[in-house]
Amino acid sequence: AQSVAQPEDQVNVAEGNPLTVKCTYSVSGNPYLFWYVQYPNRGLQFLLKYITGDNLVKGSYGFEAEFNKSQTSFHLKKPSALVSDSALYFCAVRSPGNQFYFGTGTSLTVIP
Amino acid sequence: DTGVSQDPRHKITKRGQNVTFRCDPISEHNRLYWYRQTLGQGPEFLTYFQNEAQLEKSRLLSDRFSAERPKGSFSTLEIQRTEQGDSAMYLCASSLRQGGNEQYFGPGTRLTVT
Repeated sequence: AQSVAQPEDQVNVAEGNPLTVKCTYSVSGNPYLFWYVQYPNRGLQFLLKYITGDNLVKGSYGFEAEFNKSQTSFHLKKPSALVSDSALYFCAVRSPGNQFYFGTGTSLTVIP
Repeated sequence: DTGVSQDPRHKITKRGQNVTFRCDPISEHNRLYWYRQTLGQGPEFLTYFQNEAQLEKSRLLSDRFSAERPKGSFSTLEIQRTEQGDSAMYLCASSLRQGGNEQYFGPGTRLTVT
């Protein structure tokens, strides 16, 4: 069965500090992994994806994510957090049947 | 703006009534997905289309739910005999078939069943 887990409901970080939002996955076959962000009263926005290749993928707004096959993780990172990064972040995995499974989300708060 | 659009944005209905939602995907996208999202949860897959063909449907999806994409462009999601448990945000997303299939989401339709 395909699934993702986001172990932290809430992450708080000071502005300017590095941030990490965690995600672990379970999938049969090669993983297609995604991160989305949801701002209040806005639709989900695609941030980045891992399909194959380099384990470190770069995405929108300065975000990057590190794919770790041995740990089945795909953590989202940013070197220096901005207050405007405060939002709800979702990790997702695509199944071989093209269904997408989303985590329960992590609420990121960047403290000025 | 040529993003995904959904209509209506909000719908309040009484239990037992039927409701229909519409999604217009990004024009060149041949895949279209429907999700349901409740408070504190991530989007839950309902069904998806490739062009006009409905290829996958969640096993959790009640028979009261039906979706169509008659000409491979816009799609409709109908819920018959609504129940209070159907209250949720219904999201539509579209993607290209090839590549990583990243999805682009619409703003959603918030359904409240009273």
